[in-house]
Amino acid sequence: DQQVKQNSPSLSVQEGRISILNCDYTNSMFDYFLWYKKYPAEGPTFLISISSIKDKNEDGRFTVFLNKSAKHLSLHIVPSQPGDSAVYFCAASGMNTGNQFYFGTGTSLTVIP
Amino acid sequence: DAGITQSPRHKVTETGTPVTLRCHQTENHRYMYWYRQDPGHGLRLIHYSYGVKDTDKGEVSDGYSVSRSKTEDFLLTLESATSSQTSVYFCAISESLDRVSGYTFGSGTRLTVV
Repeated sequence: DQQVKQNSPSLSVQEGRISILNCDYTNSMFDYFLWYKKYPAEGPTFLISISSIKDKNEDGRFTVFLNKSAKHLSLHIVPSQPGDSAVYFCAASGMNTGNQFYFGTGTSLTVIP
Repeated sequence: DAGITQSPRHKVTETGTPVTLRCHQTENHRYMYWYRQDPGHGLRLIHYSYGVKDTDKGEVSDGYSVSRSKTEDFLLTLESATSSQTSVYFCAISESLDRVSGYTFGSGTRLTVV
């Protein structure tokens, strides 16, 4: 049973425009959420995180929004660059999951020059 | 780059044979993790370690065992490989249980069981 879901397997965006990647979760006890970026033949790289006490966290071109009532988070990339083309995973953990993060299935982002 | 190395990078093995994957870190981080990545499932935790000789099971631990005899090495063993264990395996490390900072992942091992 997938506790973290990324329903869009792929997304294409023009360079300079906004990329919005979405993630839904089912466990109301999740209180930390992370986004990872993965290039082919490499391991995932930590991108940005947010705790449940916030609804927004920003780091340069990357902003993560959290809507706890909807159990939904999103990653905004503005402006999108060709180097952002990668697979993006969201991950979540909570006090009742111990040290375990649950990952979504990933969204492959292609930024078109 | 954090010093985390996985070996081998690629392996093809036959059903029923034992296989050991190695994760080596030079960061002296306390916590180490083994994940597998499969289409339609994302990354799933197999086992993790919170210190030398201290390990625990993750979400998909059946058919796998781990050992950590030194801080820097975390071994994942498939006792008798099956085709369902064909996957990409990632090792990750973290210095603490601070869940805000995320993990550092290795480059992965692609395992094919034929």
